[in-house]
Amino acid sequence: DAKTTQPPSMDCAEGRAANLPCNHSTISGNEYVYWYRQIHSQGPQYIIHGLKNNETNEMASLIITEDRKSSTLILPHATLRDTAVYYCIVRVPVYNQGGKLIFGQGTELSVKP
Amino acid sequence: DTAVSQTPKYLVTQMGNDKSIKCEQNLGHDTMYWYKQDSKKFLKIMFSYNNKELIINETVPNRFSPKSPDKAHLNLHINSLELGDSAVYFCASSRGQATAFFGQGTRLTVV
Repeated sequence: DAKTTQPPSMDCAEGRAANLPCNHSTISGNEYVYWYRQIHSQGPQYIIHGLKNNETNEMASLIITEDRKSSTLILPHATLRDTAVYYCIVRVPVYNQGGKLIFGQGTELSVKP
Repeated sequence: DTAVSQTPKYLVTQMGNDKSIKCEQNLGHDTMYWYKQDSKKFLKIMFSYNNKELIINETVPNRFSPKSPDKAHLNLHINSLELGDSAVYFCASSRGQATAFFGQGTRLTVV
């Protein structure tokens, strides 16, 4: 019952920007968009999250459309170490205590030299 | 210092056995989770505890029983292991609804 849709795979040239799209057309007003990535055999790693404004941190930028039905994760200068599965996740708050991350299939990003 | 640590990292056991996976976080978080990643790589939440109280139980078989002795620990006990329990189990923690941080996973193989 994933609430997001992502392309299964993408390629990106090393040093170029990687733009990973995500569709979350059924998102509710209080649900955040989170991005995590999973490098092979490791635990999911937090990247960035947002509610309705665009966000930027040292790892990436998150662009959320005005209607909040889709978003794009931007890795400005992809490196080989950015090769991973990237998950766009809608975070559902639970009874105002903690939250539930609903993972979809993710996008397998391959950064090539 | 590892923020969310799980032990063991690998666990191979026979069908019918009972096993436990331990999880500890040193982030001062009040909420902990168990997620399961199956062979198709889908990650799905199993349980969540907030201040040692169970708040999420995602229709997991009764053979799985989480136990939270304190806010920093959430252990997962599995009774009568089945082949279908083979997966990677991830522990995570958060401060309330804030960002969740994951451990490195425990790869369970039931033979």
